Amino acid sequence: NAGVTQTPKFQVLKTGQSMTLQCAQDMNHEYMSWYRQDPGMGLRLIHYSVGAGITDQGEVPNGYNVSRSTTEDFPLRLLSAAPSQTSVYFCASSYSKDEQFFGPGTRLTVL
Amino acid sequence: RKEVEQDPGPFNVPEGATVAFNCTYSNSASQSFFWYRQDCRKEPKLLMSVYSSGNEDGRFTAQLNRASQYISLLIRDSKLSDSATYLCVVNRRNTGFQKLVFGTGTRLLVSP
Repeated sequence: NAGVTQTPKFQVLKTGQSMTLQCAQDMNHEYMSWYRQDPGMGLRLIHYSVGAGITDQGEVPNGYNVSRSTTEDFPLRLLSAAPSQTSVYFCASSYSKDEQFFGPGTRLTVL
Repeated sequence: RKEVEQDPGPFNVPEGATVAFNCTYSNSASQSFFWYRQDCRKEPKLLMSVYSSGNEDGRFTAQLNRASQYISLLIRDSKLSDSATYLCVVNRRNTGFQKLVFGTGTRLLVSP
């Protein structure tokens, strides 16, 4: 099993550009989520999904969209990138209330 | 006040030392508690869950004090490979999707 995979590993955007961060898992987990990690802030939940076709907002959803058309994939879209979205983004998956498995992360810089 | 607070450290200890970290949480409705480990520029990984009765996994011991709302992690006989950031994590729900609240982490540096 590859576990949770994320692409790209690194990305630089200009303010106003849009892009999609990809996340996929091969563990047949129901639950998937996106976090951002900033210095001094801890990981914060952006959006999450409890199954295909079902998504909901987390703590810091503004500026981001998600969709979950399949169990495996949970892409995160930045609609119009801003410097405040410079961060490390982690995707995670879990089965019910058990351990969350994190992907390797995407380091995003918005200029 | 942050919902989960940790001393950021770093804690500098020699190999073989015993080191303890504490974490406090403010939401008394929190149901589940965890320690995650994060290596530099890597993703967090579950180290251990924390149970009310306390639990041990090899050199690691986790304790929960609900009355005082704090969680502790004790590492005995520290190894160089224990150098990492330790994240205290709480979850308000005991079923279904975990909306985890992460502390900012405590950095541990183990030296030869």
